[in-house]
Amino acid sequence: DAGVTQSPTHLIKTRGQQVTLRCSPKSGHDTVSWYQQALGQGPQFIFQYYEEEERQRGNFPDRFSGHQFPNYSSELNVNALLLGDSALYLCASSYETGVGANVLTFGAGSRLTVL
Amino acid sequence: RKEVEQDPGPFNVPEGATVAFNCTYSNSASQSFFWYRQDCRKEPKLLMSVYSSGNEDGRFTAQLNRASQYISLLIRDSKLSDSATYLCVVNRDDKIIFGKGTRLHILP
Repeated sequence: DAGVTQSPTHLIKTRGQQVTLRCSPKSGHDTVSWYQQALGQGPQFIFQYYEEEERQRGNFPDRFSGHQFPNYSSELNVNALLLGDSALYLCASSYETGVGANVLTFGAGSRLTVL
Repeated sequence: RKEVEQDPGPFNVPEGATVAFNCTYSNSASQSFFWYRQDCRKEPKLLMSVYSSGNEDGRFTAQLNRASQYISLLIRDSKLSDSATYLCVVNRDDKIIFGKGTRLHILP
């Protein structure tokens, strides 16, 4: 049973560029959340997708956008990259309802470096 | 004020000792609570959920005080393998918020 998979694992971009990160949730999970984790900090909530719609959003600018597909996989897009966007981007999946709802399973993350 | 605040770290504790972590949350509408563990350069993983009545899982005990908006984690008989960052997590309206984490070093 595959867990949460993310790609790419590492990438380097320059300021002003755009990036797309991808996530496949754990089998059976229908909800995907994205987090940004800077060095030495806890994960910061970016947004959550359920039924292909953004359901909740954290305190991130519109440069951060996402999408969820019918197979529950998800993408995170960041436009006009800034140096401060350098971080580990974590995708987490969960059940929407029932036992285990809101218990997150994380992928290994995509480490983004902006130069 | 941050929505979830944790004890500053790091905690350096000898093997076999008992260590306690505290966490406070600011929004009384928070609905569910968790502790996650994150090893260096790895993703966070669920350690345990926290229930109002308190709950125990082996050497780990979690407690919740809704009136004081306070969550705790107690680790007894600490092992070298317990060295990690412990993240306090709060769910409010399906928005799952993490604290900054407290780093624990177990010393041989």
